[in-house]
Amino acid sequence: AQSVAQPEDQVNVAEGNPLTVKCTYSVSGNPYLFWYVQYPNRGLQFLLKYITGDNLVKGSYGFEAEFNKSQTSFHLKKPSALVSDSALYFCAVRGLGLTGGGNKLTFGTGTQLKVEL
Amino acid sequence: DADVTQTPRNRITKTGKRIMLECSQTKGHDRMYWYRQDPGLGLRLIYYSFDVKDINKGEISDGYSVSRQAQAKFSLSLESAIPNQTALYFCATSDRDRGNTGELFFGEGSRLTVL
Repeated sequence: AQSVAQPEDQVNVAEGNPLTVKCTYSVSGNPYLFWYVQYPNRGLQFLLKYITGDNLVKGSYGFEAEFNKSQTSFHLKKPSALVSDSALYFCAVRGLGLTGGGNKLTFGTGTQLKVEL
Repeated sequence: DADVTQTPRNRITKTGKRIMLECSQTKGHDRMYWYRQDPGLGLRLIYYSFDVKDINKGEISDGYSVSRQAQAKFSLSLESAIPNQTALYFCATSDRDRGNTGELFFGEGSRLTVL
C-alpha cells in the first residue's frame, strides 16, 4: 500500500523568503508524485507532478518540487513567497489501484502555508 | 461556468436521512471520483468510476453508494446519514489519455453536516 506523510501541519514564512513544504512517500515501484493546492472554499488545483526524468520539477505559480529517491521525498519549494500563496497544500502519490492503473491517488494530510508581510 | 459542478454546495441534514450529492462535468473526461476531506486526515477516496459501466470502491466506501448516470454525471448517496459523515465532499475527474499522470480536476466541494 502507498502512503504519504506531510510532517508539518502548518508552515509560516515571511513574504519574500523562500518556502519549503515537506513530503515523504512510500509506494511499491517507481513513484508518481503530485502537489495540489487548495484555496479557502475552493476545490483542489493541480500544481505539479513528477513522473520521470529531471528530479527538479517546475509547476504553476513559480512553485517547484525536488524528487529525492534515496530519501523518498518530494518537497515543494518556492524561492520567494507571496502572501497570495497562503493556502492548504497536499502531496499525493499514485498507486497501481485495483484495476492495475488509473488515477488512484493517495493524499497526505495537508500542510497549511501562511505567508505574512 | 465551472468544468466540474457539485450540488448542493452546502447541506445540513439529520441522522437517518437520505442524502444525494451530485456531480456533473463538461470536461468530457471518462473517469470520475468522489473524495471526502476531513481536517487532519486529508482526502480519502470513497468511490471511483472509469466509465459508465465501471464502478469501484475506494478506501472508505462503507455507508455510501454511487451512481454513474452518464459519462458526465456521477452522484454519491448516503442512504442513512450519520454524524460522522459530516465532512467536505469533492468530486473529481480525469482524462483517460492522461489517466496515468494523476492530474485530477476537482469540483468546488459539497459541505455536508449531519446533526
